[in-house]
Amino acid sequence: GAVVSQHPSWVICKSGTSVKIECRSLDFQATTMFWYRQFPKQSLMLMATSNEGSKATYEQGVEKDKFLINHASLTLSTLTVTSAHPEDSSFYICSARRGSGSTDTQYFGPGTRLTVL
Amino acid sequence: QKEVEQNSGPLSVPEGAIASLNCTYSDRGSQSFFWYRQYSGKSPELIMSIYSNGDKEDGRFTAQLNKASQYVSLLIRDSQPSDSATYLCAVRPNTGGFKTIFGAGTRLFVKA
Repeated sequence: GAVVSQHPSWVICKSGTSVKIECRSLDFQATTMFWYRQFPKQSLMLMATSNEGSKATYEQGVEKDKFLINHASLTLSTLTVTSAHPEDSSFYICSARRGSGSTDTQYFGPGTRLTVL
Repeated sequence: QKEVEQNSGPLSVPEGAIASLNCTYSDRGSQSFFWYRQYSGKSPELIMSIYSNGDKEDGRFTAQLNKASQYVSLLIRDSQPSDSATYLCAVRPNTGGFKTIFGAGTRLFVKA
């Protein structure tokens, strides 16, 4: 299967600081990547769709100024949580779209666990 | 009505039995369907993709798709305790774009 990496795998930060999470597709190019958030025992929540070379598309209710997404290359998308607060503590997971057309598939990164103190 | 619906479970089956996981979806024009497995504290892992009506087998896993009934299922034969996880059904609606809609998942517990 395709390989998607995330860095860091976990991070602890103080309230008010910003945290950057990287998502990389290691063995394929991904024009589209997705960012999800998952709280304990809850389902995946899509935050935004990241498109290479263009602005991200955010889901309703997700603050674009708080969750900055940059998809600068075909293998890298970053999510920056700005001025993080304890309620932002969650499991952040990216996925990358491999292939084109109706048979493309999403592959997930291992996730980043964010704890804001 | 949710776009992708799954029974949250838990579904409990004895080791060696067949586990049957079901999923229904609302967009009749959907073309792409996926099953992911998610262990506790980990990210989802793709198990199967299916695009046309009928069965698709891969090892102990069989995905079944019935577009007329808007129904997709996953069968796990010879269930093992290591299969205990949450199984996510995912559907690509025919609304354009590349967004995939995920169900909330079914928790499976395989008893040794």
